[in-house]
Amino acid sequence: KAGVTQTPRYLIKTRGQQVTLSCSPISGHRSVSWYQQTPGQGLQFLFEYFSETQRNKGNFPGRFSGRQFSNSRSEMNVSTLELGDSALYLCASSLFGEELFFGEGSRLTVL
Amino acid sequence: AQTVTQSQPEMSVQEAETVTLSCTYDTSENNYYLFWYKQPPSRQMILVIRQEAYKQQNATENRFSVNFQKAAKSFSLKISDSQLGDTAMYFCAFMKPSTGANSKLTFGKGITLSVRP
Repeated sequence: KAGVTQTPRYLIKTRGQQVTLSCSPISGHRSVSWYQQTPGQGLQFLFEYFSETQRNKGNFPGRFSGRQFSNSRSEMNVSTLELGDSALYLCASSLFGEELFFGEGSRLTVL
Repeated sequence: AQTVTQSQPEMSVQEAETVTLSCTYDTSENNYYLFWYKQPPSRQMILVIRQEAYKQQNATENRFSVNFQKAAKSFSLKISDSQLGDTAMYFCAFMKPSTGANSKLTFGKGITLSVRP
């Protein structure tokens, strides 16, 4: 059974650009959540989707957005990139809610 | 709001020895889940062990066990017979359950564990 797949694994952008990250959950999992990991702030919750609906949102500015498709795949978008957005973005999927399975992450560098 | 505190940023242990990683949390909830996640240098986060707050018995998974003290809001992880593959960053995390979907995980800052050969 394939795990959580995140693409791209690495990307470099410049300030002011936008970026879209993709996450394919484990087959059958309908819940997807996103986390930002930085050395300074640690792991912070971005948002959670279940059956195409955003169920929870973390304390991030409106530049961070996401969506979930009918096949449970999810994307997150960051517009008007800032240097501080450089981070590892982790996606996790879940079947029943308690146990999260994480992808390997997308490493974003903003120059 | 919930908070999770891991006060030790780094620890080191000799192979085959036992090490305990500390975690405290703060919540007004009575029902919740606590987790320890492992993030090896390859970066994929892996669940190590899970504890339901309503269970008095401490969770164990092979060489990993927890000491869950609900009144003290303490949740430590004990790794027995440490192996080189245990070298990783370990995160303590809290979840308030909800029906039918993920709930938000609140993570501690993590602790870097190094196992020495």
